[in-house]
Amino acid sequence: SYELTQPPSVSVSPGQTARITCSGDALPKKYAYWYQQKSGQAPVLVIYDDDKRPSGIPERFSGSSSGTMATLTISGAQVEDEADYYCYSADSSGNQKVFGGGTKLTVL
Amino acid sequence: EVQLVESGGGLVQPGGSLRLSCAASGFTFSNYWMSWVRQAPGKGLEWVANIKQDGSEKNYVGSVMGRFTISRDNAKKSLYLQMNSLKAEDTAVYYCGRDGPPIDYWGQGTLVTVSS
Repeated sequence: SYELTQPPSVSVSPGQTARITCSGDALPKKYAYWYQQKSGQAPVLVIYDDDKRPSGIPERFSGSSSGTMATLTISGAQVEDEADYYCYSADSSGNQKVFGGGTKLTVL
Repeated sequence: EVQLVESGGGLVQPGGSLRLSCAASGFTFSNYWMSWVRQAPGKGLEWVANIKQDGSEKNYVGSVMGRFTISRDNAKKSLYLQMNSLKAEDTAVYYCGRDGPPIDYWGQGTLVTVSS
């Protein structure tokens, strides 16, 4: 079955840039999406179609994708950005959706 | 305002069945794919299934194929997940989501616990 691979954790100091990667063989052909999930809450979409930001998401969140890797970048990370982040995409057929294993972002 | 409200979760014995419902409001339900996503306690998100606007296409993750059935009633603006032959590893919070794509709105989830 198709898999997306993320690092389990990323840690940065407030104001630094956090980068979270997501690798998958179908990413050259399929969009990557990114979700933020804070403890006890439903996920929130922060990036769609590789690099687009939904309304209401701060400009410090950006996305990119090149080859088999997608990247979520948080420029000037804030303490309130501490959360689990998940990438999401589809296999080459488009029928099987999959989440990455999640990355815990610590900002301290 | 888009709202998704799940219901139907609870405690069930291994091998048992449960039917989850998701009531949608605030958007034209029949225009969207819909999805179910689950999260086991302390674990990551797992996509479970999705269904096309008219119900003509359904997709499932391999681990639930043959046991779970996704369906919808556009007149009632409702999404369903029929879960049969439940296993301990199906224990999770189950979320329904509006699938643009991607899943852009989520419910708050309903907890399913499979245990004897």
